[in-house]
Amino acid sequence: DAGVTQSPTHLIKTRGQHVTLRCSPISGHKSVSWYQQVLGQGPQFIFQYYEKEERGRGNFPDRFSARQFPNYSSELNVNALLLGDSALYLCASSDVPRGGANVLTFGAGSRLTVL
Amino acid sequence: DQQVKQNSPSLSVQEGRISILNCDYTNSMFDYFLWYKKYPAEGPTFLISISSIKDKNEDGRFTVFLNKSAKHLSLHIVPSQPGDSAVYFCAARSGSGGSNYKLTFGKGTLLTVNP
Repeated sequence: DAGVTQSPTHLIKTRGQHVTLRCSPISGHKSVSWYQQVLGQGPQFIFQYYEKEERGRGNFPDRFSARQFPNYSSELNVNALLLGDSALYLCASSDVPRGGANVLTFGAGSRLTVL
Repeated sequence: DQQVKQNSPSLSVQEGRISILNCDYTNSMFDYFLWYKKYPAEGPTFLISISSIKDKNEDGRFTVFLNKSAKHLSLHIVPSQPGDSAVYFCAARSGSGGSNYKLTFGKGTLLTVNP
């Protein structure tokens, strides 16, 4: 069974450009979350989507946006890239909330380098 | 303001001995705490969780202890194995419940288990 898949795995952009990162959740998972991990730090929450609706947003500027599609896959878009946006972008999916910890399963991430 | 802190950037132990990784938090509203392990070039992998109403949870070689009064949790690995060498992240869950939640991560601790 496939896990969380993300594309592309690596990409290089220049300042001011736009980037789109894609994520396919585990089959049957309806919630997708996005995290940013800067070198030397832990992952930081960007967005959570459930049933195609935004359920949470972290402390990120409006240059960051996301959406979830009817098949529960998701896109993260970042406009007007800055050097500080260089990071590993992690997508995670989880099952329908049934109580408990609702463990997030992470993909391997998309490594973005902004020059 | 870091709500989840892992004050030890690294830890080195001998194979077969106990590894103890520590984590402190400041937000009393966290309802679950999770530990993730991360190898290079991979996404974080879930290890074990504990509810805020419990003080101990055990799964094989892994045990997590929670001290709510001290806002402190620890992960014990016994016996440690070389394959346990990885970065360990402490994470705390918050949200309005149901399908709305996020994880707040610490900066991670690099565990090295020497043969």
